[in-house]
Amino acid sequence: NAGVTQTPKFQVLKTGQSMTLQCAQDMNHNSMYWYRQDPGMGLRLIYYSASEGTTDKGEVPNGYNVSRLNKREFSLRLESAAPSQTSVYFCASTSWNTEAFFGQGTRLTVV
Amino acid sequence: GENVEQHPSTLSVQEGDSAVIKCTYSDSASNYFPWYKQELGKRPQLIIDIRSNVGEKKDQRIAVTLNKTAKHFSLHITETQPEDSAVYFCAASIGDYKLSFGAGTTVTVRA
Repeated sequence: NAGVTQTPKFQVLKTGQSMTLQCAQDMNHNSMYWYRQDPGMGLRLIYYSASEGTTDKGEVPNGYNVSRLNKREFSLRLESAAPSQTSVYFCASTSWNTEAFFGQGTRLTVV
Repeated sequence: GENVEQHPSTLSVQEGDSAVIKCTYSDSASNYFPWYKQELGKRPQLIIDIRSNVGEKKDQRIAVTLNKTAKHFSLHITETQPEDSAVYFCAASIGDYKLSFGAGTTVTVRA
């Protein structure tokens, strides 16, 4: 039972490049999330998907897009990376106000 | 949206002493309050949670208290050990699908 798996673990991008972060969960959870973690700012919600077929903006959605491909998979896309998007990104999943399980994180650097 | 404030941002305690972290929230409709522990370079993991119909919950050396009237909740760690050193995050639910996280508390247990 893998839980929440996200790829890649590390990535360096040049300003203006694009990339997609992948996330998959095998716990049959309804809801999936993308957070970014910056020093002293906790975990800030970028986008979430309450259930398959729906996506909504969180606190800091600008510069990102998401796709809920199916119940298992939720991807995050940076169309034109900026240095301000340098961060650690976490995917998470849960079933409605129960424990949220996190992926191992992606450390992204934009130069 | 929900605003969760967490204090202190850093906490240093002597091994064997207690540690207390406090959080306040703004949305009176919040009904789920989890606490996560994040070790260096790792993903956040749930250590304890409490729902609004309960005032206190304990799990071995960890306890959480909730005061819904005052909109604050606290994490108490007793008999601290070196392995308790980590970053701790509180969170409060927003509706059925989202969590708003505090900025985190870095706890250092001195041997």
